[in-house]
Amino acid sequence: AQTVTQSQPEMSVQEAETVTLSCTYDTSESDYYLFWYKQPPSRQMILVIRQEAYKQQNATENRFSVNFQKAAKSFSLKISDSQLGDAAMYFCAYLRNRDDKIIFGKGTRLHILP
Amino acid sequence: DSGVTQTPKHLITATGQRVTLRCSPRSGDLSVYWYQQSLDQGLQFLIQYYNGEERAKGNILERFSAQQFPDLHSELNLSSLELGDSALYFCASSVGAGVGNEQFFGPGTRLTVL
Repeated sequence: AQTVTQSQPEMSVQEAETVTLSCTYDTSESDYYLFWYKQPPSRQMILVIRQEAYKQQNATENRFSVNFQKAAKSFSLKISDSQLGDAAMYFCAYLRNRDDKIIFGKGTRLHILP
Repeated sequence: DSGVTQTPKHLITATGQRVTLRCSPRSGDLSVYWYQQSLDQGLQFLIQYYNGEERAKGNILERFSAQQFPDLHSELNLSSLELGDSALYFCASSVGAGVGNEQFFGPGTRLTVL
């Protein structure tokens, strides 16, 4: 069975600094997708970034980028120039290509220190 | 705003009761997913419907059922409610199925069972 592990329940970063959130996953599949979702205090689930496993290039969305290490089954999220609005719970998630059941990690709560 | 709507926003009920949660997907989306977010279990996939048919099932209890109607809105029915059913229930939608489509999440329904 596929699993997603986020080993950091909570992290803090100073405003304008860079922070990296860790995620590892376990799968025997070769074709899958990985996501980072953000859940701010409003509870809305917001897709931050998406990575297709067949792509070697790491995905980037403005200040958000990932370090995708397929062999190591690692998928970390880097947030550059942290802003107060980045404070949220961040979930790493896995989706096997041939189905639609997203498997989420337990989440990392990110605090931004002014 | 993701374009996915969920009603009601909050629901408070008693043990043993039955409730219905409603979801309207984004215009044009054929797939609807239900997720449960609780403190102890995290975010878990419950069930998916695609164009009116059940497509995938996750950790959904037998006391829970869902359906997708011809107009593509979906309802999640929870019966014989227990204290442990208190959670945030998300609906998500996507254009298709089985190809890693991005899932857009609604704002959630917070269910409190007293």
